[in-house]
Amino acid sequence: GAGVSQSPSNKVTEKGKDVELRCDPISGHTALYWYRQSLGQGLEFLIYFQGNSAPDKSGLPSDRFSAERTGGSVSTLTIQRTQQEDSAVYLCASSPRTSGRAVSEQFFGPGTRLTVL
Amino acid sequence: DQQVKQNSPSLSVQEGRISILNCDYTNSMFDYFLWYKKYPAEGPTFLISISSIKDKNEDGRFTVFLNKSAKHLSLHIVPSQPGDSAVYFCAASSRSGGYNKLIFGAGTRLAVHP
Repeated sequence: GAGVSQSPSNKVTEKGKDVELRCDPISGHTALYWYRQSLGQGLEFLIYFQGNSAPDKSGLPSDRFSAERTGGSVSTLTIQRTQQEDSAVYLCASSPRTSGRAVSEQFFGPGTRLTVL
Repeated sequence: DQQVKQNSPSLSVQEGRISILNCDYTNSMFDYFLWYKKYPAEGPTFLISISSIKDKNEDGRFTVFLNKSAKHLSLHIVPSQPGDSAVYFCAASSRSGGYNKLIFGAGTRLAVHP
């Protein structure tokens, strides 16, 4: 399909283990975002990549969280030494760079549901 | 501190009637607002947006109203249809934030019943 894809769809891990979540954005989209949604909460911004610019990491909750975007396309969100409070749905979104518009629509993937036991 | 609040976690509406979903914000720097719709096991999809220079934006059955003095916006769906049953998220962004960082509310679950 032509949408944003994420893998895995579900991940169960033990406390203290590291996890990697993958996002494949829509082809040609230069901006990529990671959000997480904890139970009963709204989506919480984590990190934003735009082209070759330095990413905006201001939403990452701790230094256990990191993200990379290789080749301006696929992105990986890594959570080290997972904790139970990391349990959430992690959502990736991408958007095109459009000129003349302040806001570009963000297209979301289906998310990865992370459960830390 | 929640900057975007959706105080009603759920709403039930009869098919054909109007659905009104509300959203309040606290940050006066917000100047662009969006509504997203989310079905189970899917990512949110963009529905409608409004810039702070407007007080109303309409797209088919969906209308968003913005009251800047009250820091309040609402989404009206009329007539409501069973397929509208989903979770609706209000989101806000600001020029100072580069418009890229969306701040979301906790969502309102809408159920439209026949």
